[in-house]
Amino acid sequence: AQSVAQPEDQVNVAEGNPLTVKCTYSVSGNPYLFWYVQYPNRGLQFLLKYITGDNLVKGSYGFEAEFNKSQTSFHLKKPSALVSDSALYFCAVRGSSASKIIFGSGTRLSIRP
Amino acid sequence: GAVVSQHPSWVICKSGTSVKIECRSLDFQATTMFWYRQFPKQSLMLMATSNEGSKATYEQGVEKDKFLINHASLTLSTLTVTSAHPEDSSFYICSVRGVNEQFFGPGTRLTVL
Repeated sequence: AQSVAQPEDQVNVAEGNPLTVKCTYSVSGNPYLFWYVQYPNRGLQFLLKYITGDNLVKGSYGFEAEFNKSQTSFHLKKPSALVSDSALYFCAVRGSSASKIIFGSGTRLSIRP
Repeated sequence: GAVVSQHPSWVICKSGTSVKIECRSLDFQATTMFWYRQFPKQSLMLMATSNEGSKATYEQGVEKDKFLINHASLTLSTLTVTSAHPEDSSFYICSVRGVNEQFFGPGTRLTVL
């Protein structure tokens, strides 16, 4: 069975500091991994994905994520946080042979000025 | 990526009435669409997978007679909440399956009085 865990309900970071939002997963076969962001009363916006290739994936708005197979993790990172990055972030996973994406519980990122 | 729209963006209805939500894939022929429900401060929960030209596949615990799904064309799927009750109040989000990822609509906020 597929599963994904986001251990932190909330992450608080000062503007300009680096940020990390954690994600670990469990899936049969090779994982397809995703990060999405959700602003209030809005749908999900795609940030980045890992399918194959380089373990470090770069995405929208300066975000990146590193696939770590041994730790089954796919943490989201950004070198310098902006107040506008404050939102709800979801990690998601799909097994290579599966048809649907499973979402983590979400992490609320709050960037203080 | 694919552009996905939903209509209406929000709806308020009386208990016992039925509400139809439309999901359109504007620039992508979608053989598969997904319907999710999101309660406040919670993650997205997959309700059903909508397949063009065939019956939808519902997740465990989702009443197929209450949440009617029709996917009559490659660009349109509809979700009808029949005999809505206050506990059906939620944020409903549709998603279109792409090659390796999913693209999400902006969501529909349903409030049942």
